[in-house]
Amino acid sequence: SQQGEEDPQALSIQEGENATMNCSYKTSINNLQWYRQNSGRGLVHLILIRSNEREKHSGRLRVTLDTSKKSSSLLITASRAADTASYFCATHASGGSNYKLTFGKGTLLTVNP
Amino acid sequence: DTGVSQDPRHKITKRGQNVTFRCDPISEHNRLYWYRQTLGQGPEFLTYFQNEAQLEKSRLLSDRFSAERPKGSFSTLEIQRTEQGDSAMYLCASSMRGTGQETQYFGPGTRLLVL
Repeated sequence: SQQGEEDPQALSIQEGENATMNCSYKTSINNLQWYRQNSGRGLVHLILIRSNEREKHSGRLRVTLDTSKKSSSLLITASRAADTASYFCATHASGGSNYKLTFGKGTLLTVNP
Repeated sequence: DTGVSQDPRHKITKRGQNVTFRCDPISEHNRLYWYRQTLGQGPEFLTYFQNEAQLEKSRLLSDRFSAERPKGSFSTLEIQRTEQGDSAMYLCASSMRGTGQETQYFGPGTRLLVL
């Protein structure tokens, strides 16, 4: 079963604008990861944030994690048409099953040129 | 680093036929995972290998599904007596066992259509 829920399900913005996607999850985690998937292709890892971290940056990406609210956000700044893709959050649970990822349903981001 | 590869990329089959997919992980990775993704959904975990040992199978993996990883290298996923509900993207990923913080690297997937 899927643990995460991304919000919104779909987001359409103009090139140059910022895009913010949110993710909520249900159980205790070791880390939370964000992946990108272009239409019909495999997943590309974007960023990993550990449960003891609150914010992380990578290039135009900024991820926050609030373990008290069991939520995370992904901010893409200065978006480009090439950022058009589905974005998924995935969690590594703490405890016994900490090897598999549990994904949300994703946010479909469309960046219009 | 050549990344994770999967073969075939697409497979169309008739209901009741058997299909087999192959995954070649990143060479130094000892963990290998299979996920299934249906349209509009995120990937769902199917099974996991550490070296050649299959350590967990999801309840999604019915007895028509079998996965192997001989010698801890490539892996195969076989579906017997396919059903239309098996139509999905089958994704393979690999990682290096570490502290539980490791990144999983995904292959391009095999898209299965059962007619």
